[in-house]
Amino acid sequence: AQTVTQSQPEMSVQEAETVTLSCTYDTSESDYYLFWYKQPPSRQMILVIRQEAYKQQNATENRFSVNFQKAAKSFSLKISDSQLGDAAMYFCAYRTLMGWKLVFGAGTILRVKS
Amino acid sequence: DTAVSQTPKYLVTQMGNDKSIKCEQNLGHDTMYWYKQDSKKFLKIMFSYNNKELIINETVPNRFSPKSPDKAHLNLHINSLELGDSAVYFCASSRRTSGGARDEQFFGPGTRLTVL
Repeated sequence: AQTVTQSQPEMSVQEAETVTLSCTYDTSESDYYLFWYKQPPSRQMILVIRQEAYKQQNATENRFSVNFQKAAKSFSLKISDSQLGDAAMYFCAYRTLMGWKLVFGAGTILRVKS
Repeated sequence: DTAVSQTPKYLVTQMGNDKSIKCEQNLGHDTMYWYKQDSKKFLKIMFSYNNKELIINETVPNRFSPKSPDKAHLNLHINSLELGDSAVYFCASSRRTSGGARDEQFFGPGTRLTVL
């Protein structure tokens, strides 16, 4: 079974600084998808970024980028120029290529200090 | 317009009661899901329906019964509620293509269920 591990229960970053959230996963599949979701205090789940495992290029979305290391099964999220609105719980998630369900990590709380 | 909506947003009830949570999506998606987020914020899939057909049924007590009257709706009925059922329940939907990453799952706002 696939598992997703987020080893940082909580992280803090100063406004305008950069922070990296870690995620590792375990799978025997060669093709799959990885996602980062953000859950602010409103509890709405918002997709931040996604990565196809068959693409070597790291995905980027404005201030958000990933460092995808397929051999190491690592998928970290880098947030540049952190803003107060980035404060939230961040979940790493995995889905097989043809699968239906998302498998989530335990989440990392990100606090942004002004 | 709300893409995935859930009602109610908050539900407080007594142990032993039966309750339902409704979910509707107006995105034209053909797959819908129920996830449970427990008190430690851990999210786990419960059920998934594709074109009104049950395709995922994780290890969930049979007190939980999903019902999909049509592709746009997936309701969750819970019988004989227990204290441990207290959680946030999320509905989600996605479009099934050839399995591409554009099958993004859109989540509803969640329903916080509190069992007293």
